[in-house]
Amino acid sequence: DIQLTQSPSFQSASVGDTVTITCRASQGIRNWLAWYRQKPGKAPQLLIYLASTLQSGVPTRFSGSGFGTEFTLTITNLQPEDVASYYCLRLNGNPVAFGPGTKLDV
Amino acid sequence: QEQLMESGGGVFEPGTSVKLSCVTSGFTLSNHAMHWVRQAPGKGLEWLASVTYDSIYKNYAESVKGRFTISRDNIHNTVYLQTDSLRLEDTGVYFCARDSANYGPGNYLNPWGQGTEVTVSS
Repeated sequence: DIQLTQSPSFQSASVGDTVTITCRASQGIRNWLAWYRQKPGKAPQLLIYLASTLQSGVPTRFSGSGFGTEFTLTITNLQPEDVASYYCLRLNGNPVAFGPGTKLDV
Repeated sequence: QEQLMESGGGVFEPGTSVKLSCVTSGFTLSNHAMHWVRQAPGKGLEWLASVTYDSIYKNYAESVKGRFTISRDNIHNTVYLQTDSLRLEDTGVYFCARDSANYGPGNYLNPWGQGTEVTVSS
């Protein structure tokens, strides 16, 4: 199975900062990647799909890019509500798999 | 409003079984593949199982293959996860999520339920 890694595993930032999280696949997955934000005690929230398509209702300060094996989630103008864990999810075939997550502290 | 609601969690002894339910509303369940995902305390998300819209194909994570069974009832808008031979490491919050496609995987899993907590303890 294709494995996902994420970096960093933990990041501390300040309100207004720009943060970039990277997700790497062990083999190419084209653009079959989604990003989720999970606030403490809540279900994951879809942010980005097909690597760069913003989910409806998600603030435009979230953006995604990448293709093949390297993907990035960028959050600009960081807000207090962005304290959360962020996960990438590959959907290039069964089984799907999540990255290990990035915990963001604001 | 599209919603998913899990139930069936609780405290269980090792070796026992429990059947989790995911009741859906606000959309046509028979148009979508469905998934179960869990999260152990303080850990990341772990995909467990998926089922196509017609129940023909089911996929499982190696960690639960042979112990867990996913099923669905499109008439009653419900997806199930039968968990047998529970282990301590099965403790966690169990989420169901809708696939964007009928056979899956599609472009994303969304929406998600709020989860049901399973604790395996002696």
